[in-house]
Amino acid sequence: EVQLVESGGGVVQPGGSLRLSCAASGFSFDDYTMYWVRQVPGKGLEWVSLISWDGATTFTADSVKGRFTISRDSSKNSLYLQMNSLRSEDTALYYCAKDGRWIAGVAQGGDFFDYWGQGALVTVSS
Amino acid sequence: DVVMTQTPLSLSVTPGQPASISCKSSQSLLHSDGKTYLYWYLQKPGQSPQLLIYEVSNRFSGVPDRFSGSGSGTDFTLKISRVEAEDVGVYYCMQSVQLPGSFGQGTKVEIK
Repeated sequence: EVQLVESGGGVVQPGGSLRLSCAASGFSFDDYTMYWVRQVPGKGLEWVSLISWDGATTFTADSVKGRFTISRDSSKNSLYLQMNSLRSEDTALYYCAKDGRWIAGVAQGGDFFDYWGQGALVTVSS
Repeated sequence: DVVMTQTPLSLSVTPGQPASISCKSSQSLLHSDGKTYLYWYLQKPGQSPQLLIYEVSNRFSGVPDRFSGSGSGTDFTLKISRVEAEDVGVYYCMQSVQLPGSFGQGTKVEIK
């Protein structure tokens, strides 16, 4: 059974930092691109970042570029999102998600999420 | 960026009756590889989104056959042939023909 479990959410002041983690199990982690998607409570969904199955390629949305960094550790089957210079508009539920395609190319189109974690809530407030 | 527009934004349906949601994209979702990268997700109350349909019309594993997707180019539709109580939630279309992918605003489906 595929499981994605996020952790590391919390309350942080504007300008602060937070690191989210996503522990993956039930599939071959090294074979899949992984993603972070966020959702402002009660609102829609937004792509945040992705990292290819081999860690060689990343993509980050313009809204967080230069502030957020995605990474992965195959030895721990884990995905990370380092969030710096946080703003109030970053307040959201952050989901970890798995690519539905096996060893797929990145930035070639066709990304989709077949499994999602339960989310980690990040609140940026003074 | 590709903008996805869903209509209606809310839908109240009698159990056993059909429902239909439209999704339009600001540009064609037909990729140069010949595939069309349009997906449908359902977010049930208090849960994470779950995949229903991939590449316009393919049901994901375990998705009941009362759900069907159709369309091409920039116009797409999700249909539920006979709505059941467990189908309540917010439905999102998503494109990934180019990065960043993007979602529609969501359509909230409730039972009458």
